[in-house]
Amino acid sequence: KNEVEQSPQNLTAQEGEFITINCSYSVGISALHWLQQHPGGGIVSLFMLSSGKKKHGRLIATINIQEKHSSLHITASHPRDSAVYICAVYLNTGNQFYFGTGTSLTVIP
Amino acid sequence: DVKVTQSSRYLVKRTGEKVFLECVQDMDHENMFWYRQDPGLGLRLIYFSYDVKMKEKGDIPEGYSVSREKKERFSLILESASTNQTSMYLCASSLVGGPGYTFGSGTRLTVV
Repeated sequence: KNEVEQSPQNLTAQEGEFITINCSYSVGISALHWLQQHPGGGIVSLFMLSSGKKKHGRLIATINIQEKHSSLHITASHPRDSAVYICAVYLNTGNQFYFGTGTSLTVIP
Repeated sequence: DVKVTQSSRYLVKRTGEKVFLECVQDMDHENMFWYRQDPGLGLRLIYFSYDVKMKEKGDIPEGYSVSREKKERFSLILESASTNQTSMYLCASSLVGGPGYTFGSGTRLTVV
């Protein structure tokens, strides 16, 4: 049983396309992270959300706490966006995170 | 910016060796975590620590131990490395009670 489910697992897009990655979770959370990992690289936190929507450049993250669902959108995708995107939730019961298995995105020029 | 530094980016060890993976953070975070990341399995928690000398088992602690003698340093120890411990190991830290979270750049360990 995985408390955090991401979809799709793999995604290939043409440069310029609008991309959506989805995350659903089944536990009570106080925050949700969207993380980015480039091939062979470390992990960076793109967003931390507890409600609503956040935007940074071409990236937009939304969360619906009632529906236990979050989305990460990339507008005007670029090959440098190619990476694994991971959804992570921080439980409201303590110091613990659960992770999705990641979405591998490839953007083709 | 919070920095989480892992001592080695790539490591190759022999089966049976004792292996130390070191992680240091510079922002006085109470919580520190060790994860391993494998294809198709995502990130899995090995151990975490919420204070000096305190530790809690995660989902997959077998074959590992940890040490936290100082607040800024959290070490992962493979007592007798095995080939199934070949993986990417990631350290992270956070403030207690806070969901802010910073990862190190990872150590890719190969056990031969």
